[in-house]
Amino acid sequence: AQTVTQSQPEMSVQEAETVTLSCTYDTSESDYYLFWYKQPPSRQMILVIRQEAYKQQNATENRFSVNFQKAAKSFSLKISDSQLGDAAMYFCAYRSARYGGSQGNLIFGKGTKLSVKP
Amino acid sequence: DGGITQSPKYLFRKEGQNVTLSCEQNLNHDAMYWYRQDPGQGLRLIYYSQIVNDFQKGDIAEGYSVSREKKESFPLTVTSAQKNPTAFYLCASSTRQGAIFQPQHFGDGTRLSIL
Repeated sequence: AQTVTQSQPEMSVQEAETVTLSCTYDTSESDYYLFWYKQPPSRQMILVIRQEAYKQQNATENRFSVNFQKAAKSFSLKISDSQLGDAAMYFCAYRSARYGGSQGNLIFGKGTKLSVKP
Repeated sequence: DGGITQSPKYLFRKEGQNVTLSCEQNLNHDAMYWYRQDPGQGLRLIYYSQIVNDFQKGDIAEGYSVSREKKESFPLTVTSAQKNPTAFYLCASSTRQGAIFQPQHFGDGTRLSIL
């Protein structure tokens, strides 16, 4: 079974600085997807960024980028120029690309709470 | 605007009572999901449905039941058999393009508490 581990329960960053959130996963599959979701105090889950395992190029979305190391099974999220609105819980998630059965289901890590200091 | 609507936002359950959480989506998505979130925990999958009139158990289905009679609706019933129902419940949906499921969209959640 696949697992997702976020080893940093809490992180803090100064406004305008850069912070990196860690995520590792365990899987025997070669084709899969990885996601970072943001959950602000309003509790709504918002997709931040996604990465297809077959793509070597790291995904980027404005100030958010990932460092995807497939061999190491590592998927970290870098937030540049941190803003007060970035304060939230961040969840790393895995999804199999194998067709059928539980395809489409997400497996989540326990999350990292990010605080942004003004 | 298309989206996922969960109701109610807050729900209270008495001991021995069944309660039903509503989830409606107007995104025309094929698949729908129910997750449970506890403090300090990630989201855990309760049930999912990839097509109307079909659903599958997730990792923590005991004490819960669902139905999928319409594409846009996926209600979750928390039964009296669920001994620790206090949690935040999130509904999600996704669509499929060919064999590939697209990223899940989430509702705003329902917080269930025991009286």
